[in-house]
Amino acid sequence: ETGVTQTPRHLVMGMTNKKSLKCEQHLGHNAMYWYKQSAKKPLELMFVYSLEERVENNSVPSRFSPECPNSSHLFLHLHTLQPEDSALYLCASSQRPGTPAPELFFGEGSRLTVL
Amino acid sequence: GQNIDQPTEMTATEGAIVQINCTYQTSGFNGLFWYQQHAGEAPTFLSYNVLDGLEEKGRFSSFLSRSKGYSYLLLKELQMKDSASYLCALRQAGTALIFGKGTTLSVSS
Repeated sequence: ETGVTQTPRHLVMGMTNKKSLKCEQHLGHNAMYWYKQSAKKPLELMFVYSLEERVENNSVPSRFSPECPNSSHLFLHLHTLQPEDSALYLCASSQRPGTPAPELFFGEGSRLTVL
Repeated sequence: GQNIDQPTEMTATEGAIVQINCTYQTSGFNGLFWYQQHAGEAPTFLSYNVLDGLEEKGRFSSFLSRSKGYSYLLLKELQMKDSASYLCALRQAGTALIFGKGTTLSVSS
């Protein structure tokens, strides 16, 4: 099992569809993240889930809805998306700061195309 | 808020040394990270600095000056496989990282 696994790797959807991205981490971490990566733009933090916090980037539209049922699984539910939402969606996990390994571990990403 | 600046593109030749700079402004600081990302792949962790000074890890080193809001990533003995994007990232508080736009490094023979 790889550390952080994302499915599907590629997704094409229409603007009226509802779909979900799934992320699973096998590293025993206690924080998980969704990032969006678009061409020519920096990685954009969308959502964070950890033991003490749930943080949302206030600029993320409500058509993106996260769900974190436990510390190993993270979902991103998508509905009525726009073509500009086409991007690579990266999931990551980490331990909390102050631990010996504070870095984020990324999955391979889900490439989303909205038609 | 925070602002992270790094050059958009750099080129170098095999065997050379290259330094990728990152400057930042931030209201809080809890660590600076460097990641490598090959085209079509996930970012992978390279280095982490939370105190001033140099951290060395094989061919890669990273330096931090908190008072100057400055870091660099030094790559020695460049190889073709080092062609990638290099991402500078800040941790303010909490766990999340805020990333710069990345520097695309092209290594030629």
